[in-house]
Amino acid sequence: GAVVSQHPSRVICKSGTSVKIECRSLDFQATTMFWYRQFPKKSLMLMATSNEGSKATYEQGVEKDKFLINHASLTLSTLTVTSAHPEDSSFYICSARAMGGQGDGYTFGSGTRLTVV
Amino acid sequence: KQEVTQIPAALSVPEGENLVLNCSFTDSAIYNLQWFRQDPGKGLTSLLLIQSSQREQTSGRLNASLDKSSGRSTLYIAASQPGDSATYLCAVSSRTGNQFYFGTGTSLTVIP
Repeated sequence: GAVVSQHPSRVICKSGTSVKIECRSLDFQATTMFWYRQFPKKSLMLMATSNEGSKATYEQGVEKDKFLINHASLTLSTLTVTSAHPEDSSFYICSARAMGGQGDGYTFGSGTRLTVV
Repeated sequence: KQEVTQIPAALSVPEGENLVLNCSFTDSAIYNLQWFRQDPGKGLTSLLLIQSSQREQTSGRLNASLDKSSGRSTLYIAASQPGDSATYLCAVSSRTGNQFYFGTGTSLTVIP
């Protein structure tokens, strides 16, 4: 089945630094990938939709200059948290949609736990 | 805007019991509905995907139903096991399939 690989799984960084998270579709091409954020004991909230070769679409309230998204190829999207602060500490998950087959389902990465100290 | 609600928020059952998790959504114009499992600190594992034209899907001890007109889905787990303990999330995609809305999740604990 479709596999999405996300790295790193866990990262601790100092306040003010930037962190890059990678999301790769391993066995399928994904023209669109999605980035979610999950706060403790909360559900996933869509942050942005990453489109290959074009600008990402951000959800209301998400700072595009804070969360830089690059989707340079059909198998890779990156999320960079710039000038991270403790309030950016969260669980970030990417997903991609595998088209066709039995159902157009979404496949998710294993998530990245970001801790800003 | 689509809103997805899951009831109960938490559930604790003894091993072997059958159980039902509920999911409701406000806009019936969906593309599909998907049930996921999330273990603590981990990503999401897809369990079942139901297309908008389907009524149910089954995989092993899991059965998911969809009543689009009433905006409801249920996940039935038969003969629960301690390994089933996790948070279960349902999510619906918009009619275009490009927007995905998650429920609040049900935290399941199966007691040995």
